[in-house]
This record gives sequence, C-alpha cells and structure tokens, in this order.
Amino acid sequence: GAGVSQSPSNKVTEKGKDVELRCDPISGHTALYWYRQSLGQGLEFLIYFQGNSAPDKSGLPSDRFSAERTGGSVSTLTIQRTQQEDSAVYLCASSLTLLAGADTQYFGPGTRLTVL
Amino acid sequence: AQSVSQHNHHVILSEAASLELGCNYSYGGTVNLFWYVQYPGQHLQLLLKYFSGDPLVKGIKGFEAEFIKSKFSFNLRKPSVQWSDTAEYFCAVNWDNQGGKLIFGQGTELSVKP
Repeated sequence: GAGVSQSPSNKVTEKGKDVELRCDPISGHTALYWYRQSLGQGLEFLIYFQGNSAPDKSGLPSDRFSAERTGGSVSTLTIQRTQQEDSAVYLCASSLTLLAGADTQYFGPGTRLTVL
Repeated sequence: AQSVSQHNHHVILSEAASLELGCNYSYGGTVNLFWYVQYPGQHLQLLLKYFSGDPLVKGIKGFEAEFIKSKFSFNLRKPSVQWSDTAEYFCAVNWDNQGGKLIFGQGTELSVKP
C-alpha cells in the first residue's frame, strides 16, 4: 500500500518568504507527526496530531511555525518569514493510533527546505 | 528534559565484523524503544522496537537489541555486518507520559567496507 507522502520534495526559498509543506499520511492512520532533521540538531520533534487536534506543539521552534490537519488526513506545516536557520529536511510520520506510544511511526521521504 | 544519547557518531567496519551501537536514555518513567535506519537516499524505516516482554528484541535483516532497564540502555547488535548495512542508525525513545512523540539520538553513521 501507499506510504506517507510529502510534497514538495525540495523547496528553495528566499529569506523572509512563507512556505507550506504538505504531508499525506497512510490511509487510516489517526496520528501524524512532524519532525525536522538538520546537521546541527539531528532529528527533532516539532508537533503531533491526533485526528485534527494537536495536543503537543512543544517542539515548534518559534511562532513563525504552525501546522494544521484537516479531515483527519492531510497536514500542512507553514513557516512564515523563513530564516536561514530553518533550512533542514522536514519529515512527516504517521501511526495507526496515538493511544499506544509503542505504535510504529512510518516516515515519509521528507521535504528538503533551503532558505537562501 | 528527556534525552537520548548515541555514543558513536561514525563507525567503520569490514564485512563480517560484529556490530554493537550504544544507546542510552534519561530516566523518565515507562519507555518504548525503537531503532530506525536510514539507507543512503532512502527514508527512515523501522529496524525493531521494544515496548514490553522479552528484553531481547529481534528485528529485520538480522539485527537485535537488548533493553537493560537498570542501565537505561537499548544497544543494537548484529553478529556479522554486510556492505548493504551501510546506513545511518537512529535510536529513538517514547516516554509513556509524553504522548506519541519520539526523542531521537544523534544518529550513528555506519560504513561497511567490502
């Protein structure tokens, strides 16, 4: 079956512009997660959703970052007024439920964001 | 704050050598433990996980890991590596009181020489 998909695969933007990153989770997965992978910081948690609600936004680095999920499916991560330190690979993952932390998270291929 | 530590940043082995990658995590209650692998040009995929039961867990491609609660460790092992095991390996921990989020270690890059 189809895995987690993300678009675009690559995004180059200028400092100060807004960007939107999209994630399509595996069909039927109720939990969705965003992570960021960068050279200096490794893999960092950003936010997760259970259905359309985001119980934990603790990993969002600043108020320039926001995310939403609609219809319990697709999620969009928006970065406003991008800065060079936002350059990273943004990863999305989904799992069947959030009720058990042991549920396997399945990762997408990521969006590589480069801020010039 | 909870943290995960991987001791080796880059490991270089010859084929058929044995592998052990260390992973330690900070105290914080009940944990679920994962090893993920990222092959060159591919996305993260699960190697194995532990959440209860036998502390020795077997995963795909001949990998195994042992959960030692007293040492807060979850080391990854493979008795004989292959060139195709060249990849980056990530240890990740979920604490039961933290929802579903994973905290990752810094990753270990494994290079296997043919």
